[in-house]
Amino acid sequence: QKEVEQNSGPLSVPEGAIASLNCTYSDRGSQSFFWYRQYSGKSPELIMFIYSNGDKEDGRFTAQLNKASQYVSLLIRDSQPSDSATYLCAVDFSGGYNKLIFGAGTRLAVHP
Amino acid sequence: DTAVSQTPKYLVTQMGNDKSIKCEQNLGHDTMYWYKQDSKKFLKIMFSYNNKELIINETVPNRFSPKSPDKAHLNLHINSLELGDSAVYFCASSQTDRVHGYTFGSGTRLTVV
Repeated sequence: QKEVEQNSGPLSVPEGAIASLNCTYSDRGSQSFFWYRQYSGKSPELIMFIYSNGDKEDGRFTAQLNKASQYVSLLIRDSQPSDSATYLCAVDFSGGYNKLIFGAGTRLAVHP
Repeated sequence: DTAVSQTPKYLVTQMGNDKSIKCEQNLGHDTMYWYKQDSKKFLKIMFSYNNKELIINETVPNRFSPKSPDKAHLNLHINSLELGDSAVYFCASSQTDRVHGYTFGSGTRLTVV
């Protein structure tokens, strides 16, 4: 059974702080990892993807991947109230699954 | 210039009715998907088509039938709607290798009363 695990939250951080969102997955052979942001009542929106071990930065967002530990995270620096949303981790598992498998999402609340 | 468009956005209908949701993408992607998102926000795949060929058919009641007339369109027809079908249904598209992930449509909120 291929699984993607996330803490459902809510994760509450003050404005300006770093928000750290974590995700673990069950298949060591997985190659591609994605973070989506979903505002309430809206569709998921891709914000980051990462394929290689290490860090990948894009503006205030940094994705971190550790394939040995089967762990991917998303850091949001200088968090803003507009970052308040549910963040979905998605994994493209190896073995011909032909689909992304999503975690249940972590709800982030950034308070002023 | 909507990349993945779904219609309708909202659908309220009575139990037992039949309804359809339409999806179209203009991204040139080869693969399209239907996902169901329940009240707990969990996204679960239902179907996937690659170049009009059905490649994923998860454990979904036979009342749900997808159709892909071409690789830019994917429709979902639901017969004999039940209360438990109430959810948000998302269409998505991607390249075959999913290297850049999915692009989602805006979703269809289905409410069965």
